[in-house]
Amino acid sequence: KAGVTQTPRYLIKTRGQQVTLSCSPISGHRSVSWYQQTPGQGLQFLFEYFSETQRNKGNFPGRFSGRQFSNSRSEMNVSTLELGDSALYLCASSYYPGANVLTFGAGSRLTVL
Amino acid sequence: DAKTTQPPSMDCAEGRAANLPCNHSTISGNEYVYWYRQIHSQGPQYIIHGLKNNETNEMASLIITEDRKSSTLILPHATLRDTAVYYCIVRVNNNAGNMLTFGGGTRLMVKP
Repeated sequence: KAGVTQTPRYLIKTRGQQVTLSCSPISGHRSVSWYQQTPGQGLQFLFEYFSETQRNKGNFPGRFSGRQFSNSRSEMNVSTLELGDSALYLCASSYYPGANVLTFGAGSRLTVL
Repeated sequence: DAKTTQPPSMDCAEGRAANLPCNHSTISGNEYVYWYRQIHSQGPQYIIHGLKNNETNEMASLIITEDRKSSTLILPHATLRDTAVYYCIVRVNNNAGNMLTFGGGTRLMVKP
């Protein structure tokens, strides 16, 4: 079956702009979580959605937001981009929160100039 | 979730077993040990998990000490494609969520 699909794979933005990233989970998976990966901070949890509701949120400013649709697809948005937002944004899906296995997508690499 | 400590890097000869240690001395009784790996430019990939018994699957074996304060991931016959960063994570296995706390991991280099 198809894996977790993230779009776009690469994008370049300038400071002050906003960006929307998309994640399509594995069919049947209803939990979607987002992570940010940077060389300095490593992999950090952003937030998790299940049944269109945000269940958990990491320690990130309000500029980072997300949502989940009824078909379990999820989007995350970063407003007023800063240079430090340059990162690999990873989406992971599972059947339900707390499932043993999270399946990650290949990520969306964001560069902020 | 408990913190984990892993060596930053390790080398292994191709075809030999790779033994990756992880220290989790503050692990709680209801926390599981999970291993993921991340090959360059890809998302992390689940490998294996366990509570207190040793576990084996098609990818690897997980050995957890009796006091559960440390564990070892074993790749029995490492190949060049096993070169990756390996993350040891401990977390409670309930429906609270999928928030994983990643540490720095161990960068495993498999050499020919």
